[in-house]
Amino acid sequence: AQSVTQPDIHITVSEGASLELRCNYSYGATPYLFWYVQSPGQGLQLLLKYFSGDTLVQGIKGFEAEFKRSQSSFNLRKPSVHWSDAAEYFCAVGDGGGSNYKLTFGKGTLLTVNP
Amino acid sequence: DAGITQSPRHKVTETGTPVTLRCHQTENHRYMYWYRQDPGHGLRLIHYSYGVKDTDKGEVSDGYSVSRSKTEDFLLTLESATSSQTSVYFCAISEPAGVKAEAFFGQGTRLTVV
Repeated sequence: AQSVTQPDIHITVSEGASLELRCNYSYGATPYLFWYVQSPGQGLQLLLKYFSGDTLVQGIKGFEAEFKRSQSSFNLRKPSVHWSDAAEYFCAVGDGGGSNYKLTFGKGTLLTVNP
Repeated sequence: DAGITQSPRHKVTETGTPVTLRCHQTENHRYMYWYRQDPGHGLRLIHYSYGVKDTDKGEVSDGYSVSRSKTEDFLLTLESATSSQTSVYFCAISEPAGVKAEAFFGQGTRLTVV
């Protein structure tokens, strides 16, 4: 079964600083990878996804992520963080063919942005 | 935003009572999911459906049942609610093209069992 690990439970950065959130996955075949963001009291919003092709993918709100098969990683990055980026971030892997397609999520990384 | 509506948005219920949460979609997506979100656990899959009357268990299905009689509605039932089922419940939908697709989420239902 697939699994997703987000090693950092909580990260604090200063506004304007760069950001990298880590995600490692365990999956036997070509993974389908996602990053979601959740603001307090809200549902999850898709930031970006990787299915195949270019290993550097661009998402909304200035985020990007890089797929590295050799490291089983899909880290999320942003060059300059804004206060509005404070939220919880979830990495997920999609798996299953036929009738079994589902997403498995990591436990999340809470991002705090200091002024 | 994807057309997903969860009801109710908030509910307080007593231990031992039955509770049903509803997810309604207007996107005609084939797959629907119920997740629960708890601090320190992220989102965990309870049950999912891949078509009308076609459902399967997720990793935390004990104590929950589901039904899907129409494409647009997916119901989650707690037959006899327990305090351990206090959580935020999210419905999601997906339309896999082959074996890949993102999921779109509802706004969540906060359930408190007292």
